Amino acid sequence: AQKVTQAQTEISVVEKEDVTLDCVYETRDTTYYLFWYKQPPSGELVFLIRRNSFDEQNEISGRYSWNFQKSTSSFNFTITASQVVDSAVYFCALSAPQWAAGNKLTFGGGTRVLVKP
Amino acid sequence: DGGITQSPKYLFRKEGQNVTLSCEQNLNHDAMYWYRQDPGQGLRLIYYSQIVNDFQKGDIAEGYSVSREKKESFPLTVTSAQKNPTAFYLCASTPGTSGSSSYNEQFFGPGTRLTVL
Repeated sequence: AQKVTQAQTEISVVEKEDVTLDCVYETRDTTYYLFWYKQPPSGELVFLIRRNSFDEQNEISGRYSWNFQKSTSSFNFTITASQVVDSAVYFCALSAPQWAAGNKLTFGGGTRVLVKP
Repeated sequence: DGGITQSPKYLFRKEGQNVTLSCEQNLNHDAMYWYRQDPGQGLRLIYYSQIVNDFQKGDIAEGYSVSREKKESFPLTVTSAQKNPTAFYLCASTPGTSGSSSYNEQFFGPGTRLTVL
């Protein structure tokens, strides 16, 4: 069975501070995908990144960066120089890649980020 | 514009009544999914469908039913058997076998907030 744990339920920071969101996963699959989604107050989930289990390169996209460490089964997400617009709930998710398995996503419980001006 | 639509955004029903939530996509995606989100929690999979006229139960299918008569539509019925139906419901889709390399990335609709009185 797959499992995703986001131990931080809520993080509060002041604008321009950096914030790191932790994600730890469990899976028996040797190949899998990891995702981060953002859920703003409007409710719709916005895709941020997908990472293949074979690709352990860290990735940076603007103020966002991701640290994938297969040895510790972690896929952490950092927002640099946070802004008020970053206030949202962030979800980490895991998927087996096989179409036959349904492409189902297993979500963590989410971390609410509150950025104060 | 291509996307996923869910209607209505807010839905109120009396206890014991069945209610159907709409989900339509014009992305030509093969697979569609229904998730339930409770306050402060992650998303849980209710049902999914990878092909027309076929669907599979997710982790919390009891008290729900679905149909997939058309590729673009995947309505969810919340029946009176669902003991605690008040929640936020999200529909998603993914290209599947008809898509490109991002076949297992899911795209989400804006959600329907169901309140049972």
